[in-house]
Amino acid sequence: SQELEQSPQSLIVQEGKNLTINCTSSKTLYGLYWYKQKYGEGLIFLMMLQKGGEEKSHEKITAKLDEKKQQSSLHITASQPSHAGIYLCGAAGPNDYKLSFGAGTTVTVRA
Amino acid sequence: NAGVTQTPKFQVLKTGQSMTLQCAQDMNHEYMSWYRQDPGMGLRLIHYSVGAGITDQGEVPNGYNVSRSTTEDFPLRLLSAAPSQTSVYFCASSFAGTSGRGDYNEQFFGPGTRLTVL
Repeated sequence: SQELEQSPQSLIVQEGKNLTINCTSSKTLYGLYWYKQKYGEGLIFLMMLQKGGEEKSHEKITAKLDEKKQQSSLHITASQPSHAGIYLCGAAGPNDYKLSFGAGTTVTVRA
Repeated sequence: NAGVTQTPKFQVLKTGQSMTLQCAQDMNHEYMSWYRQDPGMGLRLIHYSVGAGITDQGEVPNGYNVSRSTTEDFPLRLLSAAPSQTSVYFCASSFAGTSGRGDYNEQFFGPGTRLTVL
């Protein structure tokens, strides 16, 4: 299985500030998924990247997969309280759909 | 569409008891899987299925059984519950696509089942 390291483990940001979360793998990333989870709830799909250099945005959240396909970043612009939660990256292998997940990044947004 | 549904939402078992966690999807997805989530460890794959009648083991399969008799349902059975199986369990599903050619699809997750084994 693929090991994914997320950084930072947690962060606290002032409302209105930007934040970035990284997801790093020692192996090539194929299907790379970003999910958000509120405490005690299920996972909400944010974005999926699969091509080196690919970048996707949805509302104030942008995710990128670097050219070498070994790291992805998730960037939130002008954070809001609704952005608080746990962000998880998951990676699929080259020939299957099994996802390996990072340990998650807990985001707290202070008003 | 109801999406991916899981029952029960909460369950408390005693060591040695058995039970089945239910998972169903109404999106006609070929691929279904079970994960467990433990603090600080992210989600770990227990079992998965690429279609009715086909199942395989994931990263942490010991103590769990699965079957896939229909496209819609993918139950997870705990044979003899142990305290180490206290966790939150998530079921997920997606279209299978053609991953060998870089064709990945969104994986939908259920709301989870919180299991405590005493």
